[in-house]
Amino acid sequence: QVQLVQSGSDLKKPGASVKVSCKASGYPFSTRAINWVRQAPGQGPEWMGWINTTTGIPTYVPGFTGRFVFSSDTSASTSYLLISGLKAEDTATYYCVTEEWLIWGQGTLVTVSS
Amino acid sequence: EIVLTQSPGTLSFSPGDRATLSCRASQSVSNTYLAWYQQKPGQAPRLLLYAASTRTGGIPYRFSGSGSGTDFTLTISRLEAEDFAVYYCQWSGTFGPGTRLEIK
Repeated sequence: QVQLVQSGSDLKKPGASVKVSCKASGYPFSTRAINWVRQAPGQGPEWMGWINTTTGIPTYVPGFTGRFVFSSDTSASTSYLLISGLKAEDTATYYCVTEEWLIWGQGTLVTVSS
Repeated sequence: EIVLTQSPGTLSFSPGDRATLSCRASQSVSNTYLAWYQQKPGQAPRLLLYAASTRTGGIPYRFSGSGSGTDFTLTISRLEAEDFAVYYCQWSGTFGPGTRLEIK
């Protein structure tokens, strides 16, 4: 069945970087774009943007430019979210989601704390 | 930029009740990209409806959606215990703030 499996939770210090992975299975990876969503504790989801897995071209929603980078590796059927210069307010669960918003990864909790 | 409003933030009902949740857009939007999600604690959001009124696979018939322009509605005809959760509307990627359904 179609599924997205994300990397495990991570604890980082302010200023560090984190890379979240999202491995797809059950369908040809490059046929569906991948969305990325942030959900801070107790808050609603925020759409960060998406990556075209055919071309590798990312699109970022305002507010998620600069420190956030989407990438994909077709050979590994995996999409990645890199966040650099981490801040305390980046503490959140990050989800990858298929293009049609139907299949969600299980989420990756990134905690930023000194 | 489209802003979605969901009010009230919390609704209280008893099992068996009919619940109507509201989602309002800051300007007229196409139904095509209006979706509803359910989220339970510790879980990812789950897509319930897309194109304002089309249920995704496995979603019970008690969930229905309607609306157009700026006003959209999610109706749960007879609440079951498993339906008490947070519900989000979404338009073309942008999420509303959510409505929590709690047991009265």
